[in-house]
Amino acid sequence: QVQLVESGGGLVKPGGSLTLSCVASGFTFTDYYMSWIRQAPGKGLEWVSYISDSGRTKYYEDSVKGRFIISRDNAKNSVYLQMNSLRVEDTAVYYCMSHGNDYWGQGTLVTVAS
Amino acid sequence: QAVVTQETSLTVSPGGTVILTCGSTTGPVTSGHYPYWFQQRPGQAPRTLIYNASNKHPWTPARFSGSLLGGKAALTLSGAQPEDEADYYCMLSYSGARPRVFGTGTKVTVL
Repeated sequence: QVQLVESGGGLVKPGGSLTLSCVASGFTFTDYYMSWIRQAPGKGLEWVSYISDSGRTKYYEDSVKGRFIISRDNAKNSVYLQMNSLRVEDTAVYYCMSHGNDYWGQGTLVTVAS
Repeated sequence: QAVVTQETSLTVSPGGTVILTCGSTTGPVTSGHYPYWFQQRPGQAPRTLIYNASNKHPWTPARFSGSLLGGKAALTLSGAQPEDEADYYCMLSYSGARPRVFGTGTKVTVL
């Protein structure tokens, strides 16, 4: 069955870095764009970034532009989100989603606090 | 910068019908915005119900349907069940540097 499994979340200090991973299984990963979407505690969903199937096209939400980098390794069925210069307001559950078949992972919590 | 608007909350009786809408501050929502609808039950990850305004996935219950209505995207729930109590989010696609925008979300209560 289809699975998206995120990992890499945790507690980090403001200004720190973290890299999230999302491993896909059960579908042909190379056929789909992938997104990262986040949800701050008690808040709504916010699209963060997406990457095309080839990895050549990438987009970012304005608030993370220049700080976050999305990438993918099609040989490992994985998409990554490298998060630098983290801020308190980046605290959220981060989900990965595959576009086209529209599956979601269960999310990984990132907490930015001193 | 586009803002996607949704009702804050709606209440529906068990077995009743409710319509959720999704608007855009840039103008009418069209099929070119490829509207999506997501359901998020308390404590769970979101799941996709509707894509491209009206298309369902195999897991989408038949009581949910999507459409374009009066310049907005709409999600109709007909025959509400207790398990439909959840937050519902729409998402629209735009050209340019900010290609995906989520709506503010609607909390649906079945009461």
